[in-house]
Amino acid sequence: GAGVSQSPSNKVTEKGKDVELRCDPISGHTALYWYRQSLGQGLEFLIYFQGNSAPDKSGLPSDRFSAERTGGSVSTLTIQRTQQEDSAVYLCASSPKRGGPSTDTQYFGPGTRLTVL
Amino acid sequence: AQTVTQSQPEMSVQEAETVTLSCTYDTSESDYYLFWYKQPPSRQMILVIRQEAYKQQNATENRFSVNFQKAAKSFSLKISDSQLGDAAMYFCAYRRSGGSNYKLTFGKGTLLTVNP
Repeated sequence: GAGVSQSPSNKVTEKGKDVELRCDPISGHTALYWYRQSLGQGLEFLIYFQGNSAPDKSGLPSDRFSAERTGGSVSTLTIQRTQQEDSAVYLCASSPKRGGPSTDTQYFGPGTRLTVL
Repeated sequence: AQTVTQSQPEMSVQEAETVTLSCTYDTSESDYYLFWYKQPPSRQMILVIRQEAYKQQNATENRFSVNFQKAAKSFSLKISDSQLGDAAMYFCAYRRSGGSNYKLTFGKGTLLTVNP
């Protein structure tokens, strides 16, 4: 079946503009995660969705970052007033959350490379 | 907070040889999960192998195996009979066992080069 997809694959924007990054998880996966991969910080957790709710937003770096998930499926990560330090690869992952933690596996998308000029 | 450390930013291996990638972690929890993910240039993170902390037996997946030392908080990955397709960035990751948030904590990665 189809894996996790993300769009766009690459995004170049100017400082101060808003951007939206999209994630389409695997059908039926109830859990969805956003991570950020940057040269200086490595891979960092941003936010976790279970269904449409986000019980853990602790990784969002500032109030310029927000995310939503609708219909228990597609998620959008929005960055307002982008800054150069926002340049990174944004990865999305989904997991079924069935069977408990011993069998749960996160499946990753190919990421969106964001470049802020 | 949990931390994961990969002390080798880069490693290289000859094709068909064996290489070991190191990972240490810090946690106060007794039950957790450890993972090795592979990230080729396509950026797609691929799960290589997983280990449950409560299991003493080391996990193996074909040419990939781990050496899990719980007391030392060490979790190394051994790749046997290395192939050109193994060249990638490898990330060690930790996940809590409890709760409902299965977020991963990653190390900074090891870039593996396979020489023909």
